[in-house]
Amino acid sequence: EVQLVESGGGLVQPGQSLRLSCTTSGFTFGEYAVHWVRQAPGKGLEWVGLIRNKVSDGTTEYAASAEGRFTISRDDSISIAYLQMNSLKTEDTAVYFCARGSYYYAYWGQGTLVTVSS
Amino acid sequence: DIVMTQSPDSLAVSLGERATIKCKSSQSVLSSSNNKNYLTWYQQKPGQPPKLLIYWASARESGVPDRFSGSGSGTDFTLTISSLQAEDVAVYYCHQCYTFPWTFGQGTKVEIK
Repeated sequence: EVQLVESGGGLVQPGQSLRLSCTTSGFTFGEYAVHWVRQAPGKGLEWVGLIRNKVSDGTTEYAASAEGRFTISRDDSISIAYLQMNSLKTEDTAVYFCARGSYYYAYWGQGTLVTVSS
Repeated sequence: DIVMTQSPDSLAVSLGERATIKCKSSQSVLSSSNNKNYLTWYQQKPGQPPKLLIYWASARESGVPDRFSGSGSGTDFTLTISSLQAEDVAVYYCHQCYTFPWTFGQGTKVEIK
C-alpha cells in the first residue's frame, strides 16, 4: 500500500525555520517526483514546489512564494522527502501536504499543520 | 503565471441532478507535442487531502465513479457530475501542470439543494 506521511509541523515564530518530512512506503521512492502543496486555513490549494527523481537529475521547481526561502530535498536511501522552510512568515501558516506524481497526484499524505505566529 | 478561474464558486444541486463546474486557464494548457491537456481535477472533503478524479482533462482515475467526467481543451474545461450523490459534497479544484509555477483554481464548493 502506497503511503505518504508528513511530519515536523508545529508552532513557530516569524523568521524562524522548520523542516517538514514526507516519509513514504509501499513504492519505489526513487522512481517518483515528490511535490509539496499547502492549504491555508479555510482557503484553497497552493502548489509549493517539487523535486524530480534522480533520473531527471533530482532538480527542483518552486512557487514564487517559496523561491529563496524554501528548499526541497530527498533521501532515496530512506524514502523521505523534505521541505526546509526558512524565514517563515505568518502567511506561511497552512497545512502542508506532500504528494507523489509527475503531472498529477494519485497519492497524498494527510498533511501537517504549520502555524507561524508570535 | 497561468491563472485558473473556476465558476461558480459554489453551487447547490438536488440529489440525482447534474452538477457542472467550469475551469478557465489564462493560457492554453494543451501541449502540441503530445496533444495532451495538462489539466487535472481533484475533490476535497473536509479534513481530508485532495483526491484525484480526472487527469489529462478527461481521463478518469481508477476507482472514480463514472458519474464524474471531464471535458474541454486548450483553455476551457468542465467537470460534470452526472447524477449528484450525497457523498459528492465537497470542494472541487482544477489544476494546471503545464507550466511552472503550477497553479490551482480557487475551488468550487458543491452542496445538496
